[in-house]
Amino acid sequence: EVQLLESGGGLVQPGGSLRLSCAASGFTFSSHDMSWVRQAPGKGLEWVSGISGRNGSTSYVDSVKGRFIISRDTSDNTLYLQMNSLRAEDTAIYYCAKGYWCDDWGQGTLVTVSS
Amino acid sequence: DVVMTQSPLSLPVTLGQPASISCRSSHSLVHGDGNTYLNWFQQRPGQSPKRLIYKVSDRDSGVPDRFSGSGSGTDFTLKISRVEAEDVGVYFCLQATRWPPTFGQGTKVEIK
Repeated sequence: EVQLLESGGGLVQPGGSLRLSCAASGFTFSSHDMSWVRQAPGKGLEWVSGISGRNGSTSYVDSVKGRFIISRDTSDNTLYLQMNSLRAEDTAIYYCAKGYWCDDWGQGTLVTVSS
Repeated sequence: DVVMTQSPLSLPVTLGQPASISCRSSHSLVHGDGNTYLNWFQQRPGQSPKRLIYKVSDRDSGVPDRFSGSGSGTDFTLKISRVEAEDVGVYFCLQATRWPPTFGQGTKVEIK
């Protein structure tokens, strides 16, 4: 059974940084693409970033380019999202998802950017 | 980016009656490999999204057969043949044919 467990969310001031983690199990993590998707309070879903399982190449939505970095550690099956220069509009639940198609989702971790 | 437009945004339905949600894309979703990467997700209140349908019409394992997907090109539909109480929630479409993947705004299904 695929399991994805996010952690690392919390309250941070504008301009601050946070690193999210996603512990993956139940599938061959190293060979799968992975995504981060966010959902602002009461809003829809936004795909934020992805990393290729084939070659580790990364992609970002324009609004986070230059501020967020996606990475993975295949030795312990963990996906990361380093978030820098955070803004109020980054406030959301952040989900990690298996694949660019978002086959499976974690339970999410809440990031609140506020002074 | 591909814009995904869902309608309606709110869908009150009677238990046992059918429901239909439309998702239209601003560009054709036919990939160069011949597949169309259009998925449907259900998000029940307080839960994370769950994929129901992938590649337009393939149902995920364990998804009741009252859910079906159809469409082609830029026009897609999710149908629930007979709505049950557990179907309450928000339904999203996602295109993963063109970069970056983009979601529809969501359709809230509620019981009348």
